[in-house]
Amino acid sequence: DAKTTQPDSMESTEGETVHLPCSHATISGNEYIYWYRQVPLQGPEYVTHGLQQNTTNSMAFLAIASDRKSSTLILPHVSLRDAAVYHCIRVPSGGSNYKLTFGKGTLLTVTP
Amino acid sequence: NAGVIQTPRHKVTGKGQEATLWCEPISGHSAVFWYRQTIVQGLEFLTYFRNQAPIDDSGMPKERFSAQMPNQSHSTLKIQSTQPQDSAVYLCASRTRGNYAEQFFGPGTRLTVL
Repeated sequence: DAKTTQPDSMESTEGETVHLPCSHATISGNEYIYWYRQVPLQGPEYVTHGLQQNTTNSMAFLAIASDRKSSTLILPHVSLRDAAVYHCIRVPSGGSNYKLTFGKGTLLTVTP
Repeated sequence: NAGVIQTPRHKVTGKGQEATLWCEPISGHSAVFWYRQTIVQGLEFLTYFRNQAPIDDSGMPKERFSAQMPNQSHSTLKIQSTQPQDSAVYLCASRTRGNYAEQFFGPGTRLTVL
């Protein structure tokens, strides 16, 4: 049961702004969208999350569609350090929200 | 802040041997989580401690796997009679009170069972 759908891979060049899409057509009203990223030989790193409104932090901007069936993680001015696998996941509010489950995610390649 | 520390980073065991994996959570973090990650299965939740007490071990294989948290500064995951299918990266994460979906992960221990 693939709860979110992401492209397997995307490529970018340093300095570009990258848009990573995620589809979650069956998302429930009490589910948040979380993004994590992971580089080889390291554990996952929290990036951002949102429920309905767009959110921004030092790492990224998260744009959530008005119907909440899709979202886009926007990485401004990417550097080589942003190369990673990006995971978009659905997380329920409360309850067992600590049980994170990742699939394959999107492998972002950044070239100089 | 050294982050979550996991030792060893790599461990190779023979089939049937025991493996003990160690995790030192970030100081002051009251919640500790264990996961297993493989290419095929992705990230799988194993177990969760809060204030050293086991809260949820629903992801732990019932046989051969056990986890403990004897004090606030470390947790262990023990696998008895390891099998080749136990080969994976075992990740530990920790968190303070609050949003338990925002977790801080260690680098993981890569377990290879020959």
